[in-house]
Amino acid sequence: SQQGEEDPQALSIQEGENATMNCSYKTSINNLQWYRQNSGRGLVHLILIRSNEREKHSGRLRVTLDTSKKSSSLLITASRAADTASYFCATDRNAGNMLTFGGGTRLMVKP
Amino acid sequence: DGGITQSPKYLFRKEGQNVTLSCEQNLNHDAMYWYRQDPGQGLRLIYYSQIVNDFQKGDIAEGYSVSREKKESFPLTVTSAQKNPTAFYLCASSMTSGVPHEQYFGPGTRLTVT
Repeated sequence: SQQGEEDPQALSIQEGENATMNCSYKTSINNLQWYRQNSGRGLVHLILIRSNEREKHSGRLRVTLDTSKKSSSLLITASRAADTASYFCATDRNAGNMLTFGGGTRLMVKP
Repeated sequence: DGGITQSPKYLFRKEGQNVTLSCEQNLNHDAMYWYRQDPGQGLRLIYYSQIVNDFQKGDIAEGYSVSREKKESFPLTVTSAQKNPTAFYLCASSMTSGVPHEQYFGPGTRLTVT
C-alpha cells in the first residue's frame, strides 16, 4: 500500500524558479526520506528528516516535516534544468529499515 | 567503486518462462530489497532480506521468489505465476544498525514479457 501521497503529481517551472513538492502520509513515522529518480534510472537519496525535526537543509534543498498534519514538503530553490526528475517521499515502517514510497512528483524545469 | 549493480539493463522474455534478475552490492550492507515500479508510479516492495539466508515477503510477493546465499547477492526470480511481470525492477541495499538509514539503489532492470 502507498503510505505517502505526493502533490502535485506533475510540476513544470522555468529555470531559476523554486519548486515545492508536498507529501502526506497516514500513520505515525520515525523518519521520512526524499529520493530523486532520473528517467529510467535508480533512485538517489536526497535527505532524511526524523520525526523530532521540523526542518532540514542540504544545499538548495529544504525539507520540512509537520507530524501533526502528517505532511512534509521538499523545496528546491533556484531550480536548474538538471533538476528535472521524479521526486519521491518515503516513510519508514515499524519493522526493520523498510520504506513505503509515495507515487512521486514529476518535475520538469525548462531552460 | 562501491555500489549496487543490476544486470541486465533490459530483459525480454516470452510468457510462461521464469526469469532471474541479478543484484550485487559491494557496500557491505546487511539488508537488501527488491521493488517493482510501473510507469508513472511509485515503488512497491516485493521481497526484502535483513541478513544472509533469511528473507521476507513484501507487499506484492506473489509470483516472485528470491534467495540470499551470500551477503553481496540477492537475485530475484520472476516466475510464470506472476500475472503481469512487465515492469521496471529496482534493487536496493542499506545498513541495519539502530539509526535509520538511507537505501542505495541499483540502476534497475526493465523486464518486458510478451
